[in-house]
Amino acid sequence: NAGVMQNPRHLVRRRGQEARLRCSPMKGHSHVYWYRQLPEEGLKFMVYLQKENIIDESGMPKERFSAEFPKEGPSILRIQQVVRGDSAAYFCASSAQQASGANVLTFGAGSRLTVL
Amino acid sequence: QKEVEQNSGPLSVPEGAIASLNCTYSDRVSQSFFWYRQYSGKSPELIMSIYSNGDKEDGRFTAQLNKASQYVSLLIRDSQPSDSATYLCAVSQGNAGNMLTFGGGTRLMVKP
Repeated sequence: NAGVMQNPRHLVRRRGQEARLRCSPMKGHSHVYWYRQLPEEGLKFMVYLQKENIIDESGMPKERFSAEFPKEGPSILRIQQVVRGDSAAYFCASSAQQASGANVLTFGAGSRLTVL
Repeated sequence: QKEVEQNSGPLSVPEGAIASLNCTYSDRVSQSFFWYRQYSGKSPELIMSIYSNGDKEDGRFTAQLNKASQYVSLLIRDSQPSDSATYLCAVSQGNAGNMLTFGGGTRLMVKP
């Protein structure tokens, strides 16, 4: 029973390039969450998606960042024209269909982005 | 703005002692509370969840919740060097999907 799968695990980009991070939720999970963690800091919520729908993107920067969770395939977090401040670990988490207070988030191993 | 506050530490305890980790939250409608452990360079893993006031015990771990004081804590009994990690407190409103708001984490160091 595979957990939350993220790839790539490590990604190096030069300033101005694009970064694409992928996340496949656990089997049976329909909710996907993206979090960013800067070095020595906690996790900051970015976006919450269900299949083909963005439910909450209140943590997403207004520019350069986008996320999708298509009907088929993994969720993708896309960062255009990366800058050094985008260097961070990006964690994806998934949960099963919402039941109040009952479902917990399971995290993937993370994708570590380094911008040169 | 919803906030979850933790002392960043490091909290240093000797092996075998009790480690006490604390967390306060600002949003009174919060319903679900979680403690995650994160080893350096790894992903967070769930240790405990608690939903109602009082204590919840699981092995060496006890979570305590006081909604009136907006306070949640984690006690680790018989601390081991392998418990050395960053402990993240997370809070969910419950009616906003399962989106979690995390504290900054407390770094625990258990010395042999």
